[in-house]
Amino acid sequence: KNEVEQSPQNLTAQEGEFITINCSYSVGISALHWLQQHPGGGIVSLFMLSSGKKKHGRLIATINIQEKHSSLHITASHPRDSAVYICAVDRETSGSRLTFGEGTQLTVNP
Amino acid sequence: NAGVTQTPKFQVLKTGQSMTLQCAQDMNHNSMYWYRQDPGMGLRLIYYSASEGTTDKGEVPNGYNVSRLNKREFSLRLESAAPSQTSVYFCASKTFLGTYEQYFGPGTRLTVT
Repeated sequence: KNEVEQSPQNLTAQEGEFITINCSYSVGISALHWLQQHPGGGIVSLFMLSSGKKKHGRLIATINIQEKHSSLHITASHPRDSAVYICAVDRETSGSRLTFGEGTQLTVNP
Repeated sequence: NAGVTQTPKFQVLKTGQSMTLQCAQDMNHNSMYWYRQDPGMGLRLIYYSASEGTTDKGEVPNGYNVSRLNKREFSLRLESAAPSQTSVYFCASKTFLGTYEQYFGPGTRLTVT
């Protein structure tokens, strides 16, 4: 079993829909990261969080440390949100090396 | 600022050939990383450098070597390429070893035939 699991693996939505991507982890962490990988391959950091909730525009990330679970929400989804979303954790005992989930492929249709 | 740059963007090698992937960052970051990304798997750490002058193995170091040439540059060398090393390689950097945001390069798509 992977230490970082994401669901779903693939998600197709219609423009305007509310989207949720989930991430569960099984190790102690100091922080959790949400990353976005564009169709061209580039990876950008969306959020880094260790507790609670963060919001940036239409994106919201939450984390529940006790349940070892995080969610990424996209409100009013748009075709330009189509990308792979990757969850990664900073493990407490790793010297801060990230462990990555496999990613969720999101397609938003107009 | 260019951020994290990688060269080349694409490369095709024959089995047994060698090559060096170059990475540079202009953000004055101390820590740098090399990852590989394969279909159906998450990014996996090959090597990292916590600071100038140090390098350490990650999850999948076999078949690779690295050099932290200076604070800006961190190169990855394949001495004798194998088809199993066909992958997309990403370089990344962050301020310090610790809980900080990582910045990624655009990636190098390598095919070994």
